[in-house]
Order: sequence, then structure tokens, then C-alpha cells
Amino acid sequence: AAGVIQSPRHLIKEKRETATLKCYPIPRHDTVYWYQQGPGQDPQFLISFYEKMQSDKGSIPDRFSAQQFSDYHSELNMSSLELGDSALYFCASSSDSPLHFGNGTRLTVT
Amino acid sequence: DQQVKQNSPSLSVQEGRISILNCDYTNSMFDYFLWYKKYPAEGPTFLISISSIKDKNEDGRFTVFLNKSAKHLSLHIVPSQPGDSAVYFCAASYLYNQGGKLIFGQGTELSVKP
Repeated sequence: AAGVIQSPRHLIKEKRETATLKCYPIPRHDTVYWYQQGPGQDPQFLISFYEKMQSDKGSIPDRFSAQQFSDYHSELNMSSLELGDSALYFCASSSDSPLHFGNGTRLTVT
Repeated sequence: DQQVKQNSPSLSVQEGRISILNCDYTNSMFDYFLWYKKYPAEGPTFLISISSIKDKNEDGRFTVFLNKSAKHLSLHIVPSQPGDSAVYFCAASYLYNQGGKLIFGQGTELSVKP
């Protein structure tokens, strides 16, 4: 069965650079979620989209933005990167079902 | 403020025995609870869920128990197998949004020894 695809799997950036993470949900899933998991921490909800509209917002910094496109894929844009942004970023999708997670993008900011 | 707490960071169990993972929550408005399993380098995988109208839900070797008055839930794995070794996350949400925005606990790393 198709799963949630995230790219890239690994990303290394320097402080103050920008990064774009991509997420391709399971086909026919209309809702996408972004989570951030810092080292040794639990995943924290960042933002979600339903039918291309932002549906909920969590602890997402103002330096981050996200959108969902007409093909339902989503991108998380991160600017002015800080060392503390180093984390695993998970995307999940659903359609009236428990969330299905991708394998994450590991972002390292040096 | 940690609304969902898993106080045991790790648990070691012998193969064939029962594994019991515990989770406490503070927000009485949560009415939907889920357990996710996570292997290294992979995303969390949904295991089992329970809504607050039930106190038990079973799926094969996995059973989740919910005690609303104590704001406590537990996941029982019987019998435990080496392949169950992973980090288990408890998560809470609201049924109205189908459990979309999840509040996770810190996770418990289960090790099942042959």
C-alpha cells in the first residue's frame, strides 16, 4: 500500500539559511499534518491542512510557513534557520482515519 | 506543560511475557487516545486506538485499557515478541477531528529479549 512520502530524508543547512521540506500524502487523503520531533523529545504538532486550507496551527515559529497544493502535497518552508531547528520533521496524512506518518526528514542545522 | 505523560522511558520484557506500557493525561477534554509504535529511522505507525466511551479495545495481541476517572491508559502486549521492540508513543486527541491533532507522550522504549 502507498505510504506518506517525505523528501528529502536528510538535509544539512547552515544557520540563517532556508529549507523546504516536501510531503506527498497517501492518495485520497485530504488532510496533511506536520510534526517536529527534537532529540529525545515527543513529536510536537506544527500545522495542518484540510482540502488545501490551513485547518489548525500549533507551536510553529513565525519563521516557518507551509501550504498544501492542488495535488494535496504539502511543503514546509523554514527560513532564518537556527541551531534549535535541528530535528526530525514528520508529515502525516489522513482521511477520517488515524494519522499515517511518513519516515520523516532529518534536518541538521550547523 | 506535558499534557500526556509516559513516566517510564524504557521497559524490558522477556519474550512470551506480557508488556504493559502506561500513559497518563491531564486534560479531561481529551476523548480519543491512540498508541503508535516507532522503529528507528521510520515514522510512527498506528497500533490501536480507543474513544472515551469505551474502557477496553482489543486488536490481536494488543489491548488498550482506559480509566477515565484516573486519566490513565495502558497498552498490553501479549505475548511479547522480539519484533515488538520499539518506542511506543501514547497520544491524545479529540474525537471531533478524528484524532488529527495529536498530543504525544514522551515515549517508552520497549525491549523484548529472546
